[in-house]
Amino acid sequence: NAGVTQTPKFQVLKTGQSMTLQCAQDMNHEYMSWYRQDPGMGLRLIHYSVGAGITDQGEVPNGYNVSRSTTEDFPLRLLSAAPSQTSVYFCASSFGRGQEKLFFGSGTQLSVL
Amino acid sequence: LAKTTQPISMDSYEGQEVNITCSHNNIATNDYITWYQQFPSQGPRFIIQGYKTKVTNEVASLFIPADRKSSTLSLPRVSLSDTAVYYCLVGDGDSSASKIIFGSGTRLSIRP
Repeated sequence: NAGVTQTPKFQVLKTGQSMTLQCAQDMNHEYMSWYRQDPGMGLRLIHYSVGAGITDQGEVPNGYNVSRSTTEDFPLRLLSAAPSQTSVYFCASSFGRGQEKLFFGSGTQLSVL
Repeated sequence: LAKTTQPISMDSYEGQEVNITCSHNNIATNDYITWYQQFPSQGPRFIIQGYKTKVTNEVASLFIPADRKSSTLSLPRVSLSDTAVYYCLVGDGDSSASKIIFGSGTRLSIRP
């Protein structure tokens, strides 16, 4: 049981490039979400999903797209990377929505030059 | 969403009991109070969750007064490994709520 797996762990992009951060969970969790964490700051919610085929925006959705075609996977796409998107990205999942315990991945450190 | 207020940082020494208080004046009837711990370069980890009075597990205790407008996370006999950021979260009272918002957290530093 691997839990929540994020890939890659590190990524460097040039401004304007696009890429996809991968997130997979093997716990059959319905709820999945993406956060970003800037240095010395708390986590900010980007997008979330309450089940396959259902996604919604969080606090800071601009510049990011998501899709949820399966229960296991919840990729985060950066459409045109900007230096302001330099951050650590965490994926999380939980059994249900609302106040269920969240399980986090180990994060992806992204630098946009 | 019910907003929470925590101290930005706290310092303590090994072996001491540490209490971190979170204020949530607008907590709704259906809200639970949840605490997470985050070490550097790692994702947050669930510590404890409660609704009222006191909850205790192998890691911490959570004290919630009758009015539920605040809560206190208690870490007994801390060690250097308890140095981390601690987040207090409160649900928005909707059982179908999906936006789980983290605040800035409390940065706890433990000294030898």
